[in-house]
Amino acid sequence: EPEVTQTPSHQVTQMGQEVILRCVPISNHLYFYWYRQILGQKVEFLVSFYNNEISEKSEIFDDQFSVERPDGSNFTLKIRSTKLEDSAMYFCASSEALLDEQFFGPGTRLTVL
Amino acid sequence: QKEVEQNSGPLSVPEGAIASLNCTYSDRVSQSFFWYRQYSGKSPELIMSIYSNGDKEDGRFTAQLNKASQYVSLLIRDSQPSDSATYLCAVNMGGGFKTIFGAGTRLFVKA
Repeated sequence: EPEVTQTPSHQVTQMGQEVILRCVPISNHLYFYWYRQILGQKVEFLVSFYNNEISEKSEIFDDQFSVERPDGSNFTLKIRSTKLEDSAMYFCASSEALLDEQFFGPGTRLTVL
Repeated sequence: QKEVEQNSGPLSVPEGAIASLNCTYSDRVSQSFFWYRQYSGKSPELIMSIYSNGDKEDGRFTAQLNKASQYVSLLIRDSQPSDSATYLCAVNMGGGFKTIFGAGTRLFVKA
């Protein structure tokens, strides 16, 4: 069964460093998403991406964040200068169509020291 | 502020009972609604989607949607200890590119 994959599973970084989180969405899906979940809190929408551009972003998704689909399979989230409060689980999701079911990857746990 | 509200629980039910989970949402034009299950330390796992008013059944799960009341629910029949998890209600907002999650309801099924 097709699934969303994410790498790495755990990333530890120093405050101020740049990190890139990687995702491979399900192959026939056209809509891609990033979410984050701070420990003990709810899943928060960050950004949606379609047709090689951002469709919508939340207030959390400020200038420190960027997304890219560098090739036909990968979808990345870059945090330019990490802060302590960026420590969270980051989930990638994809869907076949707008309003359709979103399938989540296993997540990347980001720890900023 | 567009919100999705859930009772945080915990909701505790005996094995074999029906668990009822509820969710309300604020955006009247929302068109798609989802229930996810999340085990501790894991990613959300899709249980069901529902798009129109009424009931939708899938195995032991039934989702119910009432757009007039801005209310969506999930019933789990014959609850099993393996159903113990946090259940997340998710609502696709406005034009559809943004999905908002509730904080989740923790369910415990006692053997």
